Amino acid sequence: KAGVTQTPRYLIKTRGQQVTLSCSPISGHRSVSWYQQTPGQGLQFLFEYFSETQRNKGNFPGRFSGRQFSNSRSEMNVSTLELGDSALYLCASSLPPSGGKNEQFFGPGTRLTVL
Amino acid sequence: DAKTTQPNSMESNEEEPVHLPCNHSTISGTDYIHWYRQLPSQGPEYVIHGLTSNVNNRMASLAIAEDRKSSTLILHRATLRDAAVYYCILSPSSGNTPLVFGKGTRLSVIA
Repeated sequence: KAGVTQTPRYLIKTRGQQVTLSCSPISGHRSVSWYQQTPGQGLQFLFEYFSETQRNKGNFPGRFSGRQFSNSRSEMNVSTLELGDSALYLCASSLPPSGGKNEQFFGPGTRLTVL
Repeated sequence: DAKTTQPNSMESNEEEPVHLPCNHSTISGTDYIHWYRQLPSQGPEYVIHGLTSNVNNRMASLAIAEDRKSSTLILHRATLRDAAVYYCILSPSSGNTPLVFGKGTRLSVIA
């Protein structure tokens, strides 16, 4: 079974631009979560989608948004990029919603660099 | 959110057992204990989880204290490929709560 895939793997943008990252979950998984990882803040939760509905949202500004499609694929968008948005963006999928005993499967991440 | 405390770093010799501790003194009765690890330049990887009883799988063992205020991840024979950051995370069984990653323990394995 194929794992979680994320595209693109690397991205360079300039301040003020916007970016869209894509995540394809493991086949059959309906929950997709997004995380941001930086050296200073570590792994931080952005949001989770289950059956096309946002279930949870982390403490990030409104410039960060996401959505999930009927085939469970998910995208996240960051508008008006800032230097501090440079990070590894990770996507994770799980069969039922995350939490409790449910394990999550992570993708390799998208490395975003904002110049 | 219930918090966990882990040592910042640990070192092990190759082919030796490794015991990675985690304290979670404020754990609630229905919190699951999860362990994930992140190898260099990769996304986190699920290792093991448990509720009350000790657990074993092909990757590791999880020993949970009787009062559940601490747990230990056991790698039976460390290899160089086990060098990673190991995260201990509590997850309420009620669900609808995302994983909260702390700083984790950076494990170095010496050949």
